[in-house]
Amino acid sequence: SAVISQKPSRDICQRGTSLTIQCQVDSQVTMMFWYRQQPGQSLTLIATANQGSEATYESGFVIDKFPISRPNLTFSTLTVSNMSPEDSSIYLCSVGGFSDTIYFGEGSWLTVV
Amino acid sequence: AQSVTQLGSHVSVSEGALVLLRCNYSSSVPPYLFWYVQYPNQGLQLLLKYTTGATLVKGINGFEAEFKKSETSFHLTKPSAHMSDAAEYFCAVSEYGGSQGNLIFGKGTKLSVKP
Repeated sequence: SAVISQKPSRDICQRGTSLTIQCQVDSQVTMMFWYRQQPGQSLTLIATANQGSEATYESGFVIDKFPISRPNLTFSTLTVSNMSPEDSSIYLCSVGGFSDTIYFGEGSWLTVV
Repeated sequence: AQSVTQLGSHVSVSEGALVLLRCNYSSSVPPYLFWYVQYPNQGLQLLLKYTTGATLVKGINGFEAEFKKSETSFHLTKPSAHMSDAAEYFCAVSEYGGSQGNLIFGKGTKLSVKP
């Protein structure tokens, strides 16, 4: 199995500021995934983060708004830039490949005021 | 492209009654299917998964699901609902098959349990 730790777990942010979310996995993984869950909605994939290469973004998400780092095989960060109230969401990181299972972190709950 | 449809955004059952949450999928590759539960103000917890082999899979908290390829369905059931089952349930399919990649989620079904 995999244990995923995310920081911060919750935060209230001022509009116009940026926040970086950290995701730490207790095992080495090739791919890590970042999702967004807007209030009352399902999960939407933001991007795939591979170690040693640029992240791959899904339609509707751009690097300038959601820059991602992947410095090693156990860690990734997602930055939400120039935040607006529409960015208020839960952001989750995810990894797979462990016993045919895909694991999620507990999520980072962001409120933008 | 893979997709997931969850029928019923909100299901309400009485305590002790059967729980049935419906999920249909579309996949161009052999699907890996998952059910996750999200309790209020919490993250996602894996309930159960289907990868290969036995089509009836059992998960945590008394839930089970049956993979029916002919019906492209993966419905979640529990014989007797408990108050603690009240939560949101998400069905998901692996986009590229296997468990290495990302998931495509349904819109979720909120389960309410009446005393």
